[in-house]
Amino acid sequence: KAGVTQTPRYLIKTRGQQVTLSCSPISGHRSVSWYQQTPGQGLQFLFEYFSETQRNKGNFPGRFSGRQFSNSRSEMNVSTLELGDSALYLCASSLTGTVNTEAFFGQGTRLTVV
Amino acid sequence: AQRVTQPEKLLSVFKGAPVELKCNYSYSGSPELFWYVQYSRQRLQLLLRHISRESIKGFTADLNKGETSFHLKKPFAQEEDSAMYYCALKTPPFNSGAGSYQLTFGKGTKLSVIP
Repeated sequence: KAGVTQTPRYLIKTRGQQVTLSCSPISGHRSVSWYQQTPGQGLQFLFEYFSETQRNKGNFPGRFSGRQFSNSRSEMNVSTLELGDSALYLCASSLTGTVNTEAFFGQGTRLTVV
Repeated sequence: AQRVTQPEKLLSVFKGAPVELKCNYSYSGSPELFWYVQYSRQRLQLLLRHISRESIKGFTADLNKGETSFHLKKPFAQEEDSAMYYCALKTPPFNSGAGSYQLTFGKGTKLSVIP
């Protein structure tokens, strides 16, 4: 079956703009999590959605938001982009997101803010 | 708050030599730990989890609650083991009743196996 798909793969935006990233989970998976990966901070948890509801949120400002649709596809939005938002954004899907369910990662979206 | 520490950014070993990637964690609850691997130009993927107590590609990892460690070991390194390795701790969110978990990752160790 198809893996986790993230689009676009690469994105260049200017400061102050907003951006929307998309994640299609593995078929049947209802939990989608988002992570930010930077050289300095490593992989950091952004938020997790399950059945269109945000269940869990990391320590990121309100400029970072997301949503999940009825087909489990998820989008992540970053408003008023800052240079420090440049990162690889990873999406992971799992059946339920609870203990003993494996998270499968997408290839990521590389966002560059100039 | 939970924390995962991987003290080595880079680890170089010769082919056939033993390898140990260190991981220490800080968490007040009952930990659930994983090792993820990212090969060049590939996505992050699960290598093994402590609950399964399995050996994958010759790698094993034992949870030591006394030392709060979950080191990854392999007796004989192969060139194809060269990759980034991340230790991760799965924990529930701070707010109760949410029902989900999140992964806290270490900063990763780049393993380079020299032929």
